[in-house]
Amino acid sequence: EAGVAQSPRYKIIEKRQSVAFWCNPISGHATLYWYQQILGQGPKLLIQFQNNGVVDDSQLPKDRFSAERLKGVDSTLKIQPAKLEDSAVYLCASGDGHNSPLHFGNGTRLTVT
Amino acid sequence: AQSVTQLGSHVSVSEGALVLLRCNYSSSVPPYLFWYVQYPNQGLQLLLKYTTGATLVKGINGFEAEFKKSETSFHLTKPSAHMSDAAEYFCAVSEGDMRFGAGTRLTVKP
Repeated sequence: EAGVAQSPRYKIIEKRQSVAFWCNPISGHATLYWYQQILGQGPKLLIQFQNNGVVDDSQLPKDRFSAERLKGVDSTLKIQPAKLEDSAVYLCASGDGHNSPLHFGNGTRLTVT
Repeated sequence: AQSVTQLGSHVSVSEGALVLLRCNYSSSVPPYLFWYVQYPNQGLQLLLKYTTGATLVKGINGFEAEFKKSETSFHLTKPSAHMSDAAEYFCAVSEGDMRFGAGTRLTVKP
């Protein structure tokens, strides 16, 4: 089966600019997650979708981050405006059930200068 | 909310030696526990998982982990390290949403 696809792989922007990341999960997977992984740390959950509904966005900085999952398939994560501390790898993952293992994409490495 | 603590941010072993990576969890319900491995510039890959049943679970690449409820632990072991095991390892716990530990970087010396 095809894995979780993410794009772009790398992105460099200046602070206060906007950026968007795209994720295509494994076909049929109902749950989709966005994680932020700062260098040297474990992934931090930003938002969890079940189909096209948000299950948990308690750790999403909503003043600058937004995410959507239209039609319950692809998802986009946006940052506007970006700050230096947003420099991280943004990982998308999908799963096929409650508490099921997650399948991760290779991530988007964001550098904010 | 559930949480994971990984003891030791960096573990170094010699090739052929025992690998032991420590993980303790906190969960309000019977936990679903996982170990993932991350190689440079890649996403995380599942090594093994514990849901219910047998407390000793075997995963890929010769790794195994034992769920000990009394100790709230889920330590990862491998009898004999290989150079290709060098990577970052993450323990995770799920109560519907998956939360990760800070990770342990494993170095394998020749």
